[in-house]
Amino acid sequence: EVQLVESGGGLVQPGRSLRLSCEASGFSFDNHAMHWVRQVPGKGLEWVSGVTWNSGIMGYADSVKGRFTISRDNAKNSLYLQMNSLRIEDTALYYCVKDMKPILRLADGFDIWGQGTMVTVSS
Amino acid sequence: QSALTQPASVSGSLGQSITLSCTGSSSDIGSYDLVSWYQQHPGTAPKLLIYGVTKRPSGLSDRFSGSKSGSTASLTISGLQAEDEAHYYCCSYAGSSTFIVFGGGTKLTVL
Repeated sequence: EVQLVESGGGLVQPGRSLRLSCEASGFSFDNHAMHWVRQVPGKGLEWVSGVTWNSGIMGYADSVKGRFTISRDNAKNSLYLQMNSLRIEDTALYYCVKDMKPILRLADGFDIWGQGTMVTVSS
Repeated sequence: QSALTQPASVSGSLGQSITLSCTGSSSDIGSYDLVSWYQQHPGTAPKLLIYGVTKRPSGLSDRFSGSKSGSTASLTISGLQAEDEAHYYCCSYAGSSTFIVFGGGTKLTVL
C-alpha cells in the first residue's frame, strides 16, 4: 500500500524548534520529488517546501525561508522538515506529499498525501 | 492572500454540470501547463483530481475534467452527485523562485 506517515508535531513555544518526519512506503521514494504542504484548520492549503529526488534543489515559501529546512534520506525512505524560530502563524496541520515527478520544475500533481501532523505554536 | 484566485463558494443541483475557476497570472498558470486540482472533504487529506491541466489519475471518474485558457484554469464536474460536496483547490507551478502556489479554495455545495 502506498503510504506517507508523518510524525513529530506537537505544542511548542514561539522561537523554539521542531523537526517533522515523514516515512514513505509502497513506492520508489527516490524517484519522486517530495513536499510539505500546511493547512491552518478551517483554511486553505499553503505549499511550504519541496525537494527534488536527489536533494539537488530545495524550494521554500517566502513565509518560511531562512527558518525551515527540508531534507530527505532516500536510504530510509524518509522526508524531514526542520522548523526553527517558530512563530504563532506557523500553527497548522503539516502534510507530507508525494510529487508525481522527480524534479520541482515538472511538478504537475501531488498524488499521495499523508494524514498530516499538527503543529501548534503557542506560549 | 493566495497567489491563485478561486471563488469562495459555488453551488449546483444534483445532476447538473458546474465549472470552478482558478485565476492566476503570467508567472504561474499562464506560463506552465502544470496545473492540478484537489478535492478535500472535511477531516480528510486532499485528493488529486486533475494533473497537468487535463489529465486524470487512474481510476478517477471521468465526470471530472480540467482545462486552461491563458492564465485561468477550470475544473468541470458533470453529473453532480451529493458526494461531490467538498472544498476544491487549484495549484500551479510558478517558476524556480516561488515554485508552487495554491488557490484559496472553493466550497462546492450540492443542492
